[in-house]
Amino acid sequence: SQTIHQWPATLVQPVGSPLSLECTVEGTSNPNLYWYRQAAGRGLQLLFYSVGIGQISSEVPQNLSASRPQDRQFILSSKKLLLSDSGFYLCAWSETDSPLHFGNGTRLTVT
Amino acid sequence: AQSVSQHNHHVILSEAASLELGCNYSYGGTVNLFWYVQYPGQHLQLLLKYFSGDPLVKGIKGFEAEFIKSKFSFNLRKPSVQWSDTAEYFCAVNPPPSGGSYIPTFGRGTSLIVHP
Repeated sequence: SQTIHQWPATLVQPVGSPLSLECTVEGTSNPNLYWYRQAAGRGLQLLFYSVGIGQISSEVPQNLSASRPQDRQFILSSKKLLLSDSGFYLCAWSETDSPLHFGNGTRLTVT
Repeated sequence: AQSVSQHNHHVILSEAASLELGCNYSYGGTVNLFWYVQYPGQHLQLLLKYFSGDPLVKGIKGFEAEFIKSKFSFNLRKPSVQWSDTAEYFCAVNPPPSGGSYIPTFGRGTSLIVHP
């Protein structure tokens, strides 16, 4: 069966520090991969999605970037965090137009 | 802009009350529709989905949703809620693919609190 791993679960980082959140999927090949940010009362905002290795599409201009160095690995990064980057980040995968499968999320606090 | 609208942001009910959460979308063409649920402290998970066929779909835990194409709606219902249904509910749409990619779009979510 397929599983998704996302880490770390919580992270506290100072302003201006770099960020790396990692997500890996097991049990499937060439999944669609997604990074969302969840804010209370504002639902899920799609940040990046990827349909294959090295193929990244950005939905929202921001201080973040994403990479997919391997088929089932999706990384969310920042060179210098801002206070406004605080939030709850979710990784998800799907097969074409099938339902999304979510990781447990990362609570990022930028201080 | 294309969007998914959930009209109820906060709903408070007593156990055994009936539930209906509204969801409307603004995409044309063929769409796939989903409801996801996030129980306190847990990850988002699929509640039910509609791809085609019978517009009344049944999901887990007694939930159902009805797709009304003419109204661009996919409302979630449950005849009798339980305390354990306390959670956040998200409607989501897979619009027609863009450049071959399906980009799921979510509503803002509805926070449901059920009092025992």
